[in-house]
Amino acid sequence: ELKVEQNPLFLSMQEGKNYTIYCNYSTTSDRLYWYRQDPGKSLESLFVLLSNGAVKQEGRLMASLDTKARLSTLHITAAVHDLSATYFCAVVSGGTYKYIFGTGTRLKVLA
Amino acid sequence: GAGVSQSPSNKVTEKGKDVELRCDPISGHTALYWYRQRLGQGLEFLIYFQGNSAPDKSGLPSDRFSAERTGESVSTLTIQRTQQEDSAVYLCASSLFQEGGYEQFFGPGTRLTVL
Repeated sequence: ELKVEQNPLFLSMQEGKNYTIYCNYSTTSDRLYWYRQDPGKSLESLFVLLSNGAVKQEGRLMASLDTKARLSTLHITAAVHDLSATYFCAVVSGGTYKYIFGTGTRLKVLA
Repeated sequence: GAGVSQSPSNKVTEKGKDVELRCDPISGHTALYWYRQRLGQGLEFLIYFQGNSAPDKSGLPSDRFSAERTGESVSTLTIQRTQQEDSAVYLCASSLFQEGGYEQFFGPGTRLTVL
């Protein structure tokens, strides 16, 4: 059964600092998604990573995928308060339709 | 509409009552998903539709839960004889193809509270 783990679960960081959120998954997959969820809101798609070595960047966020290591990272550069949210990764196991979500990382950026 | 819509946005019901939650996916999206999110938790997969068919219902927590989709469009998630443990936000998502790695687009969710 595909399992997806994120760490850390909670992250409190100062504005201007850099940090990385990790997403590990247990079985082969070449499709990984990152989502953002603000409190009381639904999920917003951030990145779609479809191949080994894929790297995508949007503003202060950069996501990468290493399918051999079964690892994706979401790197935050020079954090700002507006990035405070919960971030989820999701993986689709090869040949299936099920998206399995990680536990989420609750990020709080302190001014 | 431009995005996935869900109704009602909030539902408060008494234990033992039945509830129906509705999802209108993005027009043309063949795949539709239902998830449950308990407070402070991640997303729990419930069921998936490809067209009007649900190939895998194994994510439904019990036989009190059922879902249908008609016209490759609207889907309804029904919970019978609701229990307090059913309290959660129910999220619907749609995507263009289930095989092609296309991203899911989520609706705003229905917050269900069972008293």
